[in-house]
Amino acid sequence: RKEVEQDPGPFNVPEGATVAFNCTYSNSASQSFFWYRQDCRKEPKLLMSVYSSGNEDGRFTAQLNRASQYISLLIRDSKLSDSATYLCVVKSGNTGKLIFGQGTTLQVKP
Amino acid sequence: DGGITQSPKYLFRKEGQNVTLSCEQNLNHDAMYWYRQDPGQGLRLIYYSQIVNDFQKGDIAEGYSVSREKKESFPLTVTSAQKNPTAFYLCASSSPGGSAMNTEAFFGQGTRLTVV
Repeated sequence: RKEVEQDPGPFNVPEGATVAFNCTYSNSASQSFFWYRQDCRKEPKLLMSVYSSGNEDGRFTAQLNRASQYISLLIRDSKLSDSATYLCVVKSGNTGKLIFGQGTTLQVKP
Repeated sequence: DGGITQSPKYLFRKEGQNVTLSCEQNLNHDAMYWYRQDPGQGLRLIYYSQIVNDFQKGDIAEGYSVSREKKESFPLTVTSAQKNPTAFYLCASSSPGGSAMNTEAFFGQGTRLTVV
């Protein structure tokens, strides 16, 4: 079983749609959680950190469920510019390892 | 400007040759990481280092070696033992942090290695 698992998609949605991505992790000692965005042939960039209480940044909402070892990202009112691959990232509190999921591809269409 | 720099951006090497990829950061981060990304795939961890003069193998360390003699630098050598070295290599750094905040990783722009 992979340490961090995501549905690779692709998710094809119209502009204005709401889309949700899910991620599960296997190491209960995981300490920190993030969502990154990666555009084609570029390096990943931080989209948002994920906090236990849940957090929101504009159209983006991240949730963490430690009991179920589950992270989610919700994008509201999708824009064409949201088209990218979204990577779920988990940092182990014990080892400091930073593990990436395989990414979920989003394509927003006009 | 603070950041993390990888060089070169593109690298071509003949099969059987060792090659070293550079990664330098001036963010004063303790932790540094090397990842490999193949087309259409996620990032796989090669090696990581939490502190100077110490590093650990990631999930796909075979055929690679690293050193961490300075806090700012974490070079990766792709050896001839790596069977399929052509890939996009990404270096990252982060602060270990005492809380969940400010521990995100920052990436260099990557090195595309092609072995012919």
